[in-house]
Amino acid sequence: DIQMTQSPSSLSASVGDRVTITCRASQSISSYLNWYQQKPGKAPKLLIYAASSLQSGVPSRFSGSGSGTDFTLTISSLQPEDFATYYCQQSYSTLWTFGQGTKLEIK
Amino acid sequence: QVQLVESGGGLVKPGGSLRLSCAASGFTFSDYYMSWIRQAPGKGLEWVSYISSSGSTIYYADSVKGRFTISRDNAKNSLYLQMNSLRAEDTAVYYCARAPPGGNYGMDVWGQGTTVTVSS
Repeated sequence: DIQMTQSPSSLSASVGDRVTITCRASQSISSYLNWYQQKPGKAPKLLIYAASSLQSGVPSRFSGSGSGTDFTLTISSLQPEDFATYYCQQSYSTLWTFGQGTKLEIK
Repeated sequence: QVQLVESGGGLVKPGGSLRLSCAASGFTFSDYYMSWIRQAPGKGLEWVSYISSSGSTIYYADSVKGRFTISRDNAKNSLYLQMNSLRAEDTAVYYCARAPPGGNYGMDVWGQGTTVTVSS
């Protein structure tokens, strides 16, 4: 199976900060990488697909980059509603896998 | 509007069985791959299984292979997960989600989840 490793596992930041979350795959996954946001008690929400494509309706302060094994999710200017847990997910192999998550907390 | 609604969760004893359902509405169900994802209490997301739009292609996570069976009824706009030989570690919220065919568009619509608790 392809292992997905996110860093950091948790992060404290302030409103207005620029934040970057990293996701590394155990082997090349081309650009088959998606990012999700999950708030407590809610279902995940797709933010970015195919590594860098913004899902419809998602604010432009979210962006994704990378290919191969290394990927990043960037939030350009944190808003109060962005404090949540973020997951990467690969769909390159027939067995999909998620990263362990990054919890973004208010400083 | 586009919606997925899961049902069928509950409390079951170890070794028991449960069948989850996911009712789709607001889109052409037969055009989409469908998937089950679970989340144990306080833990991250774990992909469980997916099924192609026609049902001809199915994959499972190693943790459930041989115990869980995914299926779909395109005439009823419904997705199912038959769970047998349940273990305590299967305790989780189970989500269904749709994925546009092609494999590189993510899971763009999710249900609200149904809770499965495996305990004696």
